[in-house]
Amino acid sequence: GAVVSQHPSRVICKSGTSVKIECRSLDFQATTMFWYRQFPKKSLMLMATSNEGSKATYEQGVEKDKFLINHASLTLSTLTVTSAHPEDSSFYICSASPPGRFREKLFFGSGTQLSVL
Amino acid sequence: AQTVTQSQPEMSVQEAETVTLSCTYDTSESDYYLFWYKQPPSRQMILVIRQEAYKQQNATENRFSVNFQKAAKSFSLKISDSQLGDAAMYFCAYRSAWNTPLVFGKGTRLSVIA
Repeated sequence: GAVVSQHPSRVICKSGTSVKIECRSLDFQATTMFWYRQFPKKSLMLMATSNEGSKATYEQGVEKDKFLINHASLTLSTLTVTSAHPEDSSFYICSASPPGRFREKLFFGSGTQLSVL
Repeated sequence: AQTVTQSQPEMSVQEAETVTLSCTYDTSESDYYLFWYKQPPSRQMILVIRQEAYKQQNATENRFSVNFQKAAKSFSLKISDSQLGDAAMYFCAYRSAWNTPLVFGKGTRLSVIA
């Protein structure tokens, strides 16, 4: 099956610093990737849709200046949490669909637990 | 906008027994996809089963099967011969097209009792 790799798996940072999370499709090209956020014991909430070569589309209520998304290649999308604060602490997870026969399936990275002190 | 509702926050089942998780959804579209994802404590999202709305036949994957009622907009998951490893959070999800995001329900936490 398709593999989506996400790094780092866990990051702890000080308030005010920026953190970059990488999401890679290892064995397929992904023109679109999706970034979700999950609070403890809650469901996944879509933050933004990342499109290769163009600007990301953010969901209502998501600050695009705080959560910078770059999709510079067909296999890599990055989410940068700028000037992180404790309320940004959460589990972030990316996903992508392979082209072709199973393109309706979304495959997920393993997620990144961000803790802001 | 599409919505997905899972009305059972928690469920439990005895090992080797059968359990059914409920899911309803709301959409005005006629063609779409429905999924059940499993999220164990590791938090890795694992695809359990998928259903194309245009297919009348219910999907089956080994011990997992669905009851898809398109007119009622219902999509329940049946787990047969439950195993300890089935204990996890289960999310029902909707996707309108292959290049759109998944819309998730709030999830059902399944416990398996030995």
